[in-house]
Amino acid sequence: GESVGLHLPTLSVQEGDNSIINCAYSNSASDYFIWYKQESGKGPQFIIDIRSNMDKRQGQRVTVLLNKTVKHLSLQIAATQPGDSAVYFCAESQPNAGNMLTFGGGTRLMVKP
Amino acid sequence: EAQVTQNPRYLITVTGKKLTVTCSQNMNHEYMSWYRQDPGLGLRQIYYSMNVEVTDKGDVPEGYKVSRKEKRNFPLILESPSPNQTSLYFCASSLRRAGEKLFFGSGTQLSVL
Repeated sequence: GESVGLHLPTLSVQEGDNSIINCAYSNSASDYFIWYKQESGKGPQFIIDIRSNMDKRQGQRVTVLLNKTVKHLSLQIAATQPGDSAVYFCAESQPNAGNMLTFGGGTRLMVKP
Repeated sequence: EAQVTQNPRYLITVTGKKLTVTCSQNMNHEYMSWYRQDPGLGLRQIYYSMNVEVTDKGDVPEGYKVSRKEKRNFPLILESPSPNQTSLYFCASSLRRAGEKLFFGSGTQLSVL
């Protein structure tokens, strides 16, 4: 998720639909990726992670896809619920930078009832 | 309950008045870190600590200090706060090292007048 100035990209979906949130990461050497969810007034909360030796990982209602060729990460949320409304951002771990996590700017997901 | 606890949640202060934001984790994590979150800039790392008595600068360390005298605590110190330090601050920890799943606190909203 890349931010545009002060405004986050926003994805608006109908309750019950599937959501896909995208993230372009910067470093082809990054070997570990995490998706976080941040609700208003709260700290980021871990959703799912994936290592670079995988291209897909599934959790409960969530799936992360990794395309290393184009340095792209996506988070799919099945049957989106109002409680999924939040800002979602990805993070990448860069081995050539001490494994520090670098965070993307985030995408705001709004779920319409 | 496993958690990262920050205090205070909200803080309003004036320029130049020293303040400390406390952070404590009960998960026996070795790695702890401080981030600031600003609109359009995402999460940026201030300082981190790999273990007791081991601290290092992140991306935006100017104007901040930290200490790690005990494994569970990692306070953030602003010796002489300035208005450009008005931000939302998060403490985070992970089990062993950078580049792993980070657990975040609930955040401290700081306003420097």
